Amino acid sequence: DVKVTQSSRYLVKRTGEKVFLECVQDMDHENMFWYRQDPGLGLRLIYFSYDVKMKEKGDIPEGYSVSREKKERFSLILESASTNQTSMYLCASNLGVGGNTEAFFGQGTRLTVV
Amino acid sequence: AQRVTQPEKLLSVFKGAPVELKCNYSYSGSPELFWYVQYSRQRLQLLLRHISRESIKGFTADLNKGETSFHLKKPFAQEEDSAMYYCALSPFQGGSEKLVFGKGTKLTVNP
Repeated sequence: DVKVTQSSRYLVKRTGEKVFLECVQDMDHENMFWYRQDPGLGLRLIYFSYDVKMKEKGDIPEGYSVSREKKERFSLILESASTNQTSMYLCASNLGVGGNTEAFFGQGTRLTVV
Repeated sequence: AQRVTQPEKLLSVFKGAPVELKCNYSYSGSPELFWYVQYSRQRLQLLLRHISRESIKGFTADLNKGETSFHLKKPFAQEEDSAMYYCALSPFQGGSEKLVFGKGTKLTVNP
């Protein structure tokens, strides 16, 4: 059973803080993704990674960076948190090899920036 | 660029009625299409994918390349089908399969 685990369910941070959201998957998946989920806007891709140390920008990368030093771990970094980054953040992974693109999601981290 | 459009933000039907959630996509190649579902307080999960041609929980979806559509259908809706539904597209780009989602449709099935 594939497990994608996000380190926190809820986070409250202050404006200007540097914030780290962590995600770990245990199925040796190649691809990992970070999305933010907002009502009426659906899931918007922030960044994805298709290999260790490899990353590509998604649709809304501004204000975010990512790190993938190990295959199983993908971190989302908010360099200087702002109130408009208050959102639900979802991590996902998929095998990626041979076109197996079914994605498995974490439980989400609800971040509030005050 | 890849794009997925779900024209209905909200859809409300009565139990036992047919339901259709619309999804249109734009992509010049041959994408893989999915429907994901998120029940209340649960994580997002795959419902079905066009490659497998399965019926899951009574839902089916047919890929229509001419109309670039992948509508989700169920002949008789149940209250437990109430959830948020997302259509998603994965373009095959040789090793890097980005997954793009629509904005979602919230389905409510009334008793």
